[in-house]
Amino acid sequence: DAKTTQPTSMDCAEGRAANLPCNHSTISGNEYVYWYRQIHSQGPQYIIHGLKNNETNEMASLIITEDRKSSTLILPHATLRDTAVYYCIVRVKVSGTYKYIFGTGTRLKVLA
Amino acid sequence: EAGVTQFPSHSVIEKGQTVTLRCDPISGHDNLYWYRRVMGKEIKFLLHFVKESKQDESGMPNNRFLAERTGGTYSTLKVQPAELEDSGVYFCASSQAGTSGRAQETQYFGPGTRLLVL
Repeated sequence: DAKTTQPTSMDCAEGRAANLPCNHSTISGNEYVYWYRQIHSQGPQYIIHGLKNNETNEMASLIITEDRKSSTLILPHATLRDTAVYYCIVRVKVSGTYKYIFGTGTRLKVLA
Repeated sequence: EAGVTQFPSHSVIEKGQTVTLRCDPISGHDNLYWYRRVMGKEIKFLLHFVKESKQDESGMPNNRFLAERTGGTYSTLKVQPAELEDSGVYFCASSQAGTSGRAQETQYFGPGTRLLVL
């Protein structure tokens, strides 16, 4: 029942922008897109989320297409500490519960 | 502010034994979730508590798994008896209740418990 599709892995040069794509073509109108990352042996760490509009915070920017079928997470200046697995998640509501549907994630490697 | 904590960080048990995992959510968070990732698969939802009540346990794999949240604070997840396929990482997450009709309940995850059943 995966709702997101992401590339398995990506490399990015240190200091450059990392652009991580995600497809969520079956997303419903009231379902949010969330991005988390997991650094080795830690739990998933919240990055950003959005519904329709583009969002930006101190960590990243989230660009959502107008049809909401895909999005891109942008890390503007990647550092070695950004090496992690990045999960694009659709938050669904079922019977009063907001649950996260995780994809397989993109393993981002930032290269010196 | 302390984050979500989980205990133990690792557990190695033999098939047929019982294991109990504990999760302490962020103070004041009414919502508590359990997820798990088994080898080679995605992280999947197990269940959701609102305070001490089970709101949704549709992701629980079978009746060998029992989750409780007495008093609406910490939660335990017991596996009895454990089977080989239960090996994986069990994550707990918590979130605040939605406010003003905008239930943007961002979930904050703990570090996980790595369970290995031999």
